[in-house]
Amino acid sequence: QVQLVQSGAEVKRPGSSVTVSCKASGGAFSGYSFSWVRQAPGQGLEWLGTFITIFDTATYAQKFQGRVTITADKSTSTAYVEVTSLRSDDTAVYFCARGPIDCSSHPCYIDPYLDLWGQGTLVTVSS
Amino acid sequence: SYELTQPPSVSVSPGQTARITCSGDALARKFAYWYQHKSGQAPVAVIYEDVKRPSGIPERFSGSSSGAMATLTISGAQVEDEADYYCSSTDSSGHQRVFGGGTKLTVL
Repeated sequence: QVQLVQSGAEVKRPGSSVTVSCKASGGAFSGYSFSWVRQAPGQGLEWLGTFITIFDTATYAQKFQGRVTITADKSTSTAYVEVTSLRSDDTAVYFCARGPIDCSSHPCYIDPYLDLWGQGTLVTVSS
Repeated sequence: SYELTQPPSVSVSPGQTARITCSGDALARKFAYWYQHKSGQAPVAVIYEDVKRPSGIPERFSGSSSGAMATLTISGAQVEDEADYYCSSTDSSGHQRVFGGGTKLTVL
């Protein structure tokens, strides 16, 4: 069945950057959106942004605009999130999640529903 | 920025009905989604588009929405339903997604 498999844990220094990957295996990639959501220790879920495969564009939470970049490689069915200028409060588990896109009517509807999640990647920012 | 508000915690005995609310101005026009999150695991959707239940989710999970409030109801809560529950939606533009602060459900 379809799975989202994320890359392994990372330890980074403050001020550096990190890229986490999310590979969709066993199913379609194009025709879905891929979102990134994080959970800092003791905190709730926080949406970072979403890549929309049919448009090859991403939308971002206002808080992360300019510091987070979400991309995707359709040839390898892999989505990526890059976070730059890392701070200690970026320490979190980062999840990727797939969302449906409905193009049965115009314009296509980018469904906010996240129907499949990756296993999570711990990113630790520490000096 | 747009916010969704949930109670921090809800506690019920096994077999009782648990209700978790989510309030936000745009919920009157935008769908609510509910996710169950157990520690160390990936979140799982239990309700989408206010009232729909994904395949494989037990029938005791149901959703409703009225005005600016959405509600997740677990009828006959089980010990295995203990988890954090998050509502999610978008702002009125539909471009900014948001999660509520989460509700810790205790069943004991």
